[in-house]
Amino acid sequence: GDSVTQMEGPVTLSEEAFLTINCTYTATGYPSLFWYVQYPGEGLQLLLKATKADDKGSNKGFEATYRKETTSFHLEKGSVQVSDSAVYFCALILLTGRRALTFGSGTRLQVQP
Amino acid sequence: EAQVTQNPRYLITVTGKKLTVTCSQNMNHEYMSWYRQDPGLGLRQIYYSMNVEVTDKGDVPEGYKVSRKEKRNFPLILESPSPNQTSLYFCASSFPSGRSSYEQYFGPGTRLTVT
Repeated sequence: GDSVTQMEGPVTLSEEAFLTINCTYTATGYPSLFWYVQYPGEGLQLLLKATKADDKGSNKGFEATYRKETTSFHLEKGSVQVSDSAVYFCALILLTGRRALTFGSGTRLQVQP
Repeated sequence: EAQVTQNPRYLITVTGKKLTVTCSQNMNHEYMSWYRQDPGLGLRQIYYSMNVEVTDKGDVPEGYKVSRKEKRNFPLILESPSPNQTSLYFCASSFPSGRSSYEQYFGPGTRLTVT
């Protein structure tokens, strides 16, 4: 079946450090890919998305590129802030069938001042 | 403001006492879905609905029921809750096929504890 694997957390960084959270996927078809963010005590917010190979999604300084050849969608940010502390979920969806998002297990990011 | 709302946000109940978690969206979305979030497992789909009166099982439907009598509402029903249904629940909605990428909008979550 379809699956998403992302790096275990927590990831602890100092403010202004470079962030990478790895995400790889397995899918039976051609998925769309997403990164969602969950701030403490809140629901999930869509952070960025990419719908086809080589697309780059970007938002709030975060970027991720859809790499079909390596089935990856790694999240990056050049300079993290304390306010970026949250749990980040990589997810995929296939554009057929029941359209369920398949999520990774989440990566907690802690940014220290 | 476009949003998905859920009620209640927090609920503590006892085994076997029927409960309903409501979900409502104001974006005229045809598609709605329920997920549960458990530590280390990410989110898993419970049930989904493609449109009014059209519902189907997701990955973990056991112990849950849903109904879709109106486009905006998609309640989740636990007829006889058990402790293994203690979880964080999210409702989501999106446009139907033909719109870009099936982007799903999530509610704020309902934290349920069954003792």
